[in-house]
Amino acid sequence: DQQVKQNSPSLSVQEGRISILNCDYTNSMFDYFLWYKKYPAEGPTFLISISSIKDKNEDGRFTVFLNKSAKHLSLHIVPSQPGDSAVYFCAARGNFGNEKLTFGTGTRLTIIP
Amino acid sequence: DSGVTQTPKHLITATGQRVTLRCSPRSGDLSVYWYQQSLDQGLQFLIQYYNGEERAKGNILERFSAQQFPDLHSELNLSSLELGDSALYFCASSPGIGDTQYFGPGTRLTVL
Repeated sequence: DQQVKQNSPSLSVQEGRISILNCDYTNSMFDYFLWYKKYPAEGPTFLISISSIKDKNEDGRFTVFLNKSAKHLSLHIVPSQPGDSAVYFCAARGNFGNEKLTFGTGTRLTIIP
Repeated sequence: DSGVTQTPKHLITATGQRVTLRCSPRSGDLSVYWYQQSLDQGLQFLIQYYNGEERAKGNILERFSAQQFPDLHSELNLSSLELGDSALYFCASSPGIGDTQYFGPGTRLTVL
């Protein structure tokens, strides 16, 4: 039962354009969402997060949007840079007492120079 | 560099064997989490420790066990290894409960 889904295994975007990565979840008990970026042979690196009481969180070039009614979140990267090429994982977490992260299967983002 | 260290980086062993993976959390972090990433899979939560005590368990096999020591480092023990146990094993740590988790570089286990 895949509670967090990233339906696009890969995405290619021109340098300088906007990259939009999508994530859907099914468990309404999730109340905190995170995006991690992963390069080959390295562990996931935390990028940005959002609480379920918000619908948007911004950090520099990265913005995460949350639509609770649709159980959907997205990560926007503007402008996209070659160093953004990596695998991006969406993760969700329950509230106190259930801190484990449930991950999606990842989207491989390739930025084309 | 997240500050979380894992050893060894690579491990190759045979079916039926037992291995121990080690994780040192970031300085001051009390929570340690273990995750498994198999081929083409997302990361699957195995187990969480907080300040030496087991706090949560995921889909961890009975052949697997873990502990967190007084100095807060953690070890994941995998026994009676099977081919399907070949995977990347990640450790993450966080300052407390519910904080952002920071991941180590992982241990790649290959069972032949």
